[in-house]
Amino acid sequence: QVQLVQSGAEVKKPGASVKVSCKASGYTFTSYDINWVRQATGQGLEWMGWMNPNSGNTGYAQKFQGRVTMTRNTSISTAYMELSSLRSEDTAVYYCAREYQREMTELFDPWGQGTLVTVSS
Amino acid sequence: DIQMTQSPSSLSASVGDRVTITCRASQSISSYLNWYQQKPGKAPKLLIYAASSLQSGVPSRFSGSGSGTDFTLTISSLQPEDFATYYCQQSYSTPRITFGQGTRLEIK
Repeated sequence: QVQLVQSGAEVKKPGASVKVSCKASGYTFTSYDINWVRQATGQGLEWMGWMNPNSGNTGYAQKFQGRVTMTRNTSISTAYMELSSLRSEDTAVYYCAREYQREMTELFDPWGQGTLVTVSS
Repeated sequence: DIQMTQSPSSLSASVGDRVTITCRASQSISSYLNWYQQKPGKAPKLLIYAASSLQSGVPSRFSGSGSGTDFTLTISSLQPEDFATYYCQQSYSTPRITFGQGTRLEIK
C-alpha cells in the first residue's frame, strides 16, 4: 500500500538545524510531489512547501523562505526537509504528504506519521 | 494568501446527531476545497475532495457541498469514531495551500 514513513523525534537547541526524512513506498516516488506541513501542539496545520521528486524543483511558503530546504534521494525514495536557525516557536510535529490531483483539485494523501521536533535550550 | 475560516471552532454533539461544519474562503476558490479529519496523535486523513467527492473508503455519512466561497461538511449521523478535529484546505492557489483553523468535534 502507499505509505510514507518519517524519521524519529528530534530535540534541538535554539540556532541549530534539523533534517527530517520521509520514505515513500508502494508507488513511483518521482511521480508525485511531496509537501511538508507542520502543527504546533494544540494548533492548526501550517503548509511549509513542496518538492517535485523528479526534477528537484521546490517552492516554499514565504514564512520559511531562507530557513527551509527540501531535497530528495531518488535511489532510496526518500524526501527530506531541513529547517535551520531553529527557535522555540518551531517546536511542532512535522508531516510529509503526497500530493496528487483529482477532479482538478490538488489534495494530500497519504500523510506520514509525523515527526516531533522539540527546540529547547 | 487565501484565508480559510471555519465555524464553529468547536462543537459538542451526541452520537446519532447530524452535524454541519462551515468553511469560508476569503475569495472565490471554485470547488478547489478538501476536507480532512484528524484524531489526537494521528496524521490528517482525507475525507472529501473537490468540495463534494467522497474519498475511497470514507463512510457515506460524510458529505460535502459548496462552491465559490462557502462550503460545508456534513456528518449525517455521528458515530463514536467521528469525534475528531476537521480541517478544510484550499488548493485554488496551489502550490500555496492554506488550511482552515480547524473545528474540534467533541462528545456532549
